[in-house]
Order: sequence, then C-alpha cells, then structure tokens
Amino acid sequence: DVKVTQSSRYLVKRTGEKVFLECVQDMDHENMFWYRQDPGLGLRLIYFSYDVKMKEKGDIPEGYSVSREKKERFSLILESASTNQTSMYLCASSYLRGNYGYTFGSGTRLTVV
Amino acid sequence: AQRVTQPEKLLSVFKGAPVELKCNYSYSGSPELFWYVQYSRQRLQLLLRHISRESIKGFTADLNKGETSFHLKKPFAQEEDSAMYYCALSVTTDSWGKFQFGAGTQVVVTP
Repeated sequence: DVKVTQSSRYLVKRTGEKVFLECVQDMDHENMFWYRQDPGLGLRLIYFSYDVKMKEKGDIPEGYSVSREKKERFSLILESASTNQTSMYLCASSYLRGNYGYTFGSGTRLTVV
Repeated sequence: AQRVTQPEKLLSVFKGAPVELKCNYSYSGSPELFWYVQYSRQRLQLLLRHISRESIKGFTADLNKGETSFHLKKPFAQEEDSAMYYCALSVTTDSWGKFQFGAGTQVVVTP
C-alpha cells in the first residue's frame, strides 16, 4: 500500500559530506516535491519537479540540488552537509494540478554532526 | 506573496469538547485549501479539501473568502484526534500544483 517511499528513515552524516536522499513513487504522478519539516516553521519547500529532468526552486533551495532522471524517482542532494541542515525531510508527489493533494513519504530524519 | 497563518502552536482540549483550529491565508488568486494531519509516528496525510465539502473523522472546514479563513472544526474531540495539523494553500496560478503550508498546530486531547 506504500505509494511514496523514502530510502532511509534515519541518517547521520558528517559536516562536509555529500548526502543523497532518495524518493520513489508508484502512482505515476507528474509532480514531486522535497520539503523540510522543522518545529515552529512547518513545511518549507526546497525544490520541486513537474516532469522528468525539470526542476524548480522552492523557498529554501540554498545548499541543495535535485535530480529527476525518471518519472518515479526524485533525489535530493546536499552538496556539502552542514549542521543547519539537520532536519526531517519529506518527499511528496501529486498529479500535475495538485488539486487532489499530496501523497507524502514517511520522511528521513537527517542529523549532521 | 501567498501566506498561510496558523496562530496557535498548541491546542489542548478535553475529550468531548469542541475543537477549532484556525487558519488564515493571503493569496490574490482563487484559493484551494486543504488540511493535513500527522499522527504520532505516521506520515503526513490529507485530511480534507475545501473543494469537496466533505466531513472526515467528524472534522469540517469552511472556506470564508471574506475573512480569508479556512478553520477546522470538530464538535466533540476524541483522544485519537491528538496530532499535528497543517493548513495548506494550493497555488493555482501556476500550471502545476504547489502548496504553501502553515507552521502547524499541535492538538492534544486529554481524557
């Protein structure tokens, strides 16, 4: 029944490491999103993609990049991890217009030490 | 710019009491609003959409364009309603669906 799968539930990385967070969806959704979830700040959009090889910056893209080589997979890359990137990362997908809402993954809790 | 405001970080209510979670938005286009819920150790999930005018788990929400609000209500809170709730605005001026989320309201229902 799981429709949006994030590859890791918990990750611990060192400052300066390159980090890859993977997300796969099996619902043939056009849109995929990466958010970070922090207490008191809600969900903030990092990047999104509405088609293969297409990407758009969200509200907080600095320090991140993304890759979408296949429709079902959307990767978030932290080029050089820093402690202020310690957070819960949520992947979501939706149909193109988004008016049926998002389907979320279970999240990846990333700790950068 | 679009914005979603949830003024209460924490709402504590007794079982059986009414509960109302406030959500206000600012958006120049035609708003499409949603409520999402995250129960403890579960993934974030859609609770309801204003466009479908539905009642889910006893919750309802009415879009008030005059007051730019989309408050979530339930007449009798249950312990299983304890969760984090997010109000979200779909930015429909783009050709793809992108959501703006509020900061969230933690609801605690005590027996």
